[in-house]
Amino acid sequence: QQQVKQSPQSLIVQKGGISIINCAYENTAFDYFPWYQQFPGKGPALLIAIRPDVSEKKEGRFTISFNKSAKQFSLHIMDSQPGDSATYFCAASIQYTGRRALTFGSGTRLQVQP
Amino acid sequence: EAGVTQFPSHSVIEKGQTVTLRCDPISGHDNLYWYRRVMGKEIKFLLHFVKESKQDESGMPNNRFLAERTGGTYSTLKVQPAELEDSGVYFCASSQGWSATDTQYFGPGTRLTVL
Repeated sequence: QQQVKQSPQSLIVQKGGISIINCAYENTAFDYFPWYQQFPGKGPALLIAIRPDVSEKKEGRFTISFNKSAKQFSLHIMDSQPGDSATYFCAASIQYTGRRALTFGSGTRLQVQP
Repeated sequence: EAGVTQFPSHSVIEKGQTVTLRCDPISGHDNLYWYRRVMGKEIKFLLHFVKESKQDESGMPNNRFLAERTGGTYSTLKVQPAELEDSGVYFCASSQGWSATDTQYFGPGTRLTVL
């Protein structure tokens, strides 16, 4: 059972356009929602993250929108650039006694065409 | 500062063979995680070490997988005997703490192919 559902699987955007990736979750105990960016041959790297008590977080061209009631969150990449071409993973984090677990979505392969 | 390193980067083995993957975390990071991504699917948690102790191994698929972190430094993940469904990319990550805001830093992964 996949706890974090991510869409679309792949996305092609023109340079300068807006890229939007969506994620949905079921477990209301998740308390932190990071996004990771992965370039070919590299491991995923933290891009931006949000807590569920915040509806939006912006860092440069990257914005997370969070809808707690709908249990959905999304990543918006404004003015998309060819250098943004990568695989993006949404994730949700939950705390247990003495440990924390990170659950990932299935990834979105973004291609920004020049 | 060196990042998380993993060895080998690729491994191709026959079904039934044994493979050992190695992860060197960022120096000083007590927390070490193993994850696996099967083709096109989500990155799935396998286990979590705090220093040399297994804090959570709920994600380990079965007893063919054995992870160790002797001395609380590098970690190894052994698959014995390997099956076809074990193919995928195995990631290691490390963090200083395990709070929500403690960033997990990922290595480049080991791509395992079982034929």
